[in-house]
Order: sequence, then structure tokens, then C-alpha cells
Amino acid sequence: GIQVEQSPPDLILQEGANSTLRCNFSDSVNNLQWFHQNPWGQLINLFYIPSGTKQNGRLSATTVATERYSLLYISSSQTTDSGVYFCAVDSGFQKLVFGTGTRLLVSP
Amino acid sequence: GAGVSQSPSNKVTEKGKDVELRCDPISGHTALYWYRQRLGQGLEFLIYFQGNSAPDKSGLPSDRFSAERTGESVSTLTIQRTQQEDSAVYLCASTHRDRAPDTQYFGPGTRLTVL
Repeated sequence: GIQVEQSPPDLILQEGANSTLRCNFSDSVNNLQWFHQNPWGQLINLFYIPSGTKQNGRLSATTVATERYSLLYISSSQTTDSGVYFCAVDSGFQKLVFGTGTRLLVSP
Repeated sequence: GAGVSQSPSNKVTEKGKDVELRCDPISGHTALYWYRQRLGQGLEFLIYFQGNSAPDKSGLPSDRFSAERTGESVSTLTIQRTQQEDSAVYLCASTHRDRAPDTQYFGPGTRLTVL
């Protein structure tokens, strides 16, 4: 099955810093989503982005489908950005395969 | 409702007991998914329902796990003879597969602890 790798596994930032999270996948996909899992465990949709670039406030994402990777950019990070960021893909079998996540801690 | 809801939010049970977890999807969503998340790990797919089609059960880890869904409404995930390794958060998601974008929306999960 499709493999999803995320890097880095852990990231510590000072408030206000920028960061880039990466997701590599091993096969072509027709669905790619980025999620933020907050400290209470709730998964929050950030982007549906099987290709192209999207922006939402301080967050943006780019997926280069031909090269099988996606990037999530967080600018001017805030303590509320802390949590785990997951990339998940669907290669056509109607179910999401999740990466192992990037654990982000933003300190004040 | 406005989002996916799950109940109970927490469940503590003794090894060997059966448990039933409930998911209420977003109204009108045709597809429903169950995932499991062990502590500190990513989500593992368990089962997928789409309309009246036969469910995709390929992710169920053993025959102690089963799930039902009536039409496009509530789903229940049942774990029989629970084991300690079943301890995890069980998450439900729904989406409208016939309408783009095919974005899955997740409920808050049920945290299951098997003693």
C-alpha cells in the first residue's frame, strides 16, 4: 500500500517563528489532506490539497503531485499552533492513509 | 447536526467485556469511516461505509471487531471480548463522496481504556 512519511517528527519553535512541514508519499494520490490535532485530540481540517497551492491566514500548503510531496507552511507561529500535524492521502481506495505526524511545540 | 458526534467520549472497561461505540455523521454525508489511534501514533483505517454498498472491512484487526451502519445515518463499532491492546482513541469521520471536495470531517473520538 501507499506509504506516507512526514518530517520532521518533532519541532520546537519560539512564538513568531516560521516553519515548513513536509509530507512525502510513495504513489499518486487523488486526495491529500492536512490536519491539526490539538492537545485535546480533536482533528481539525486545515487543507484539502491533492495538487496546487492554497492559503488560509497564516497557513499555506503546496502539493507537487508529480514529485509526490506536500508542504505545510506556518508563518508567525503562535502557542495555539501547538499539537500534531498529520498529512493523509487517498490513492484511490476511498480511505485515508495517515503519516506518523509532526509534533509541534510553540513556546512563548 | 453541525459536525460529527461520537459517544461516549470516554469508556473504561474490563478485559473480556464487549463495548459499543457510536458515531453520528454530518447530515447528508454518504460515507462514514472508523479509524483507531493508539497513543502517540497516527490513525489506522478500520472500516468504510458508502451509501448502501457493502462496507470495506479491510482494516478491521480481528473478528472481535465489527461495525454497522443503517442507511446514511448512525454507525456503531462493536468490540467483543476486549483486550488491553484495544485501548486507543476510536475516531469516526464522514464525507459526501459524490460532491467535491472529498474532505473527511472527524468527530472528537471515543477514548477506550481496557483494564
